[in-house]
Amino acid sequence: AQKVTQAQTEISVVEKEDVTLDCVYETRDTTYYLFWYKQPPSGELVFLIRRNSFDEQNEISGRYSWNFQKSTSSFNFTITASQVVDSAVYFCALSEVGGSQGNLIFGKGTKLSVKP
Amino acid sequence: DVKVTQSSRYLVKRTGEKVFLECVQDMDHENMFWYRQDPGLGLRLIYFSYDVKMKEKGDIPEGYSVSREKKERFSLILESASTNQTSMYLCASSPGQGLFRAPLHFGNGTRLTVT
Repeated sequence: AQKVTQAQTEISVVEKEDVTLDCVYETRDTTYYLFWYKQPPSGELVFLIRRNSFDEQNEISGRYSWNFQKSTSSFNFTITASQVVDSAVYFCALSEVGGSQGNLIFGKGTKLSVKP
Repeated sequence: DVKVTQSSRYLVKRTGEKVFLECVQDMDHENMFWYRQDPGLGLRLIYFSYDVKMKEKGDIPEGYSVSREKKERFSLILESASTNQTSMYLCASSPGQGLFRAPLHFGNGTRLTVT
């Protein structure tokens, strides 16, 4: 069965610290997509990144980086030199493309608090 | 920028009322979705639609129905609201085929309280 686990429910860091949000997934499909979304206090989920199962290259975007490792079924997200504006709930999600329409499963989210 | 607009930010309704949650997107997206978000449970899919007048059940459709008469509008209907439907409701849209492969664009959410 498809599953996404974000073991860290809440993380609190001080500004400028680096922080890694963990995401572990389970799937039987060989073709799938992984996503990260950010939900700031305003409530609107914002798309951050999508990765397909055939592309294990790590991605860096400014202070954000993502480490995709199929061997451990993980897709971890690191924020370097965190800022107060990074405070949000972050969701990891898995999309399988097999079957008639596929499905998208979200993890339960990790609440990140960055204190000044 | 894609904009997904949910008609109400906060809504308070009484048990047994019929409730309509409206969602409009302005980017001609084929796919639209309704999720509910509850503490400790994350996001759960209620219904989705991949075309006008088409609708599919998600993981938790019980107690809900939907309507998609126009491409840009997707309505969630609670036929008879109950207290266990108190939640944050999130609408989303995405373009084209590959229903769940494309990134979703979300609205700001409607926080519904049923008393």
